[in-house]
Amino acid sequence: RKEVEQDPGPFNVPEGATVAFNCTYSNSASQSFFWYRQDCRKEPKLLMSVYSSGNEDGRFTAQLNRASQYISLLIRDSKLSDSATYLCVVNSGNTPLVFGKGTRLSVIA
Amino acid sequence: EAQVTQNPRYLITVTGKKLTVTCSQNMNHEYMSWYRQDPGLGLRQIYYSMNVEVTDKGDVPEGYKVSRKEKRNFPLILESPSPNQTSLYFCASSLWGAGAFEQYFGPGTRLTVT
Repeated sequence: RKEVEQDPGPFNVPEGATVAFNCTYSNSASQSFFWYRQDCRKEPKLLMSVYSSGNEDGRFTAQLNRASQYISLLIRDSKLSDSATYLCVVNSGNTPLVFGKGTRLSVIA
Repeated sequence: EAQVTQNPRYLITVTGKKLTVTCSQNMNHEYMSWYRQDPGLGLRQIYYSMNVEVTDKGDVPEGYKVSRKEKRNFPLILESPSPNQTSLYFCASSLWGAGAFEQYFGPGTRLTVT
């Protein structure tokens, strides 16, 4: 089983739709979880950290399920500007971060 | 402006010709790292550095060297580039360690080895 797995997509959704991505991780000792956003040919940028209790930032909600070893990202009221690749990132202490391969989202007018 | 810079942004070279990609950060970050990104493979870590004079191999270190003589700089060296090192390279830094802190990425260097 790969360390961090994501559905590569693409997810093609209309503007205003709600879309959810899941990411599973294999290391039960993982401690820190993040979602990064990467636009085409650009560098990844932190979208949000994922906390045990779940957290929300505007239209974005991140959740962690330790028992099932997955994290999720929910985007409500999708905008055209949300079109990007979303990377799931997991850390297990002082070892290097592990990046998922990303899920591509296209929001269509 | 807080940033990570990389140079060059684009490079086309020939097999065997040594090259260096520079990386510099102005945020006084302890941790710096190099990644390569290839279609279908995602981001893979090449080398990382927890502090000055401390470097460690990542997942794909073969064919690369790094050095960390100063806190702000972390150059990536390809002693004898080969076509399988054609890729998009990102340098990143974070406040400390690799874990709980946000990684700041440079703009990327697109390398083609013919």
